[in-house]
Amino acid sequence: QVQLVQSGSELRKPGASVKISCQTSGYTFTKYKMNWVRQAPGQGFESLGWINTKTGNPTYDPGFTGRFVFSLDSSVSTAYLQISSLKPEDTAVYYCARTFSGSQRPIDFWGQGTLVTVSS
Amino acid sequence: DIQMTQSPSTVSASVGDRVTITCRASQSVSSWLAWYQQKPGEAPNLLIYEASSLESGVPSRFSGSGSGTDFTLTISSLQADDFAIYYCLQYNSYSWTFGQGTRVEIK
Repeated sequence: QVQLVQSGSELRKPGASVKISCQTSGYTFTKYKMNWVRQAPGQGFESLGWINTKTGNPTYDPGFTGRFVFSLDSSVSTAYLQISSLKPEDTAVYYCARTFSGSQRPIDFWGQGTLVTVSS
Repeated sequence: DIQMTQSPSTVSASVGDRVTITCRASQSVSSWLAWYQQKPGEAPNLLIYEASSLESGVPSRFSGSGSGTDFTLTISSLQADDFAIYYCLQYNSYSWTFGQGTRVEIK
């Protein structure tokens, strides 16, 4: 069965960095793009962008360039999100979520989410 | 960015009721509109894609309609398992955007 398993919760101070992993199984990794989405406490969702799992080419949504970096380790079917210079407003649950690369489809499967708390 | 506005923000309903949630886009998204259900502490679950296509495994009491800027999610007969928050997502533009969510609560 399809699984997207994310790394555990993180607590960081402002200005620090964090790297979240998303290990996938149960499907062909390179047939799906990997999206990153966040949800601040009690709020709706924001799309951060996505990474092409065939080429490794990332695409960042407006407002998420510079401090946010998507990467892959295709040998272990894992995607990563690194956030640098963390701010308190980055506190959120971060989700990896796949979309089929072959046609215009929405996210059809999500990881369980990783809570990142930024606090001094 | 395309803005997505859902209404109402909360709907109070009883088991067996028909529930309708709307989502309006600030510009046309054609039919590239999806609906998700999220329960507390869980990731969202895809219900509807391309405005009206039912995702595999989703009960047939869920249906979607609309195109362009106005969309509707209907639950024909609300079940106890359906009390949750529902979100729309437009995936037409370069930058995807979500609605702010509609909470379906027990009346």
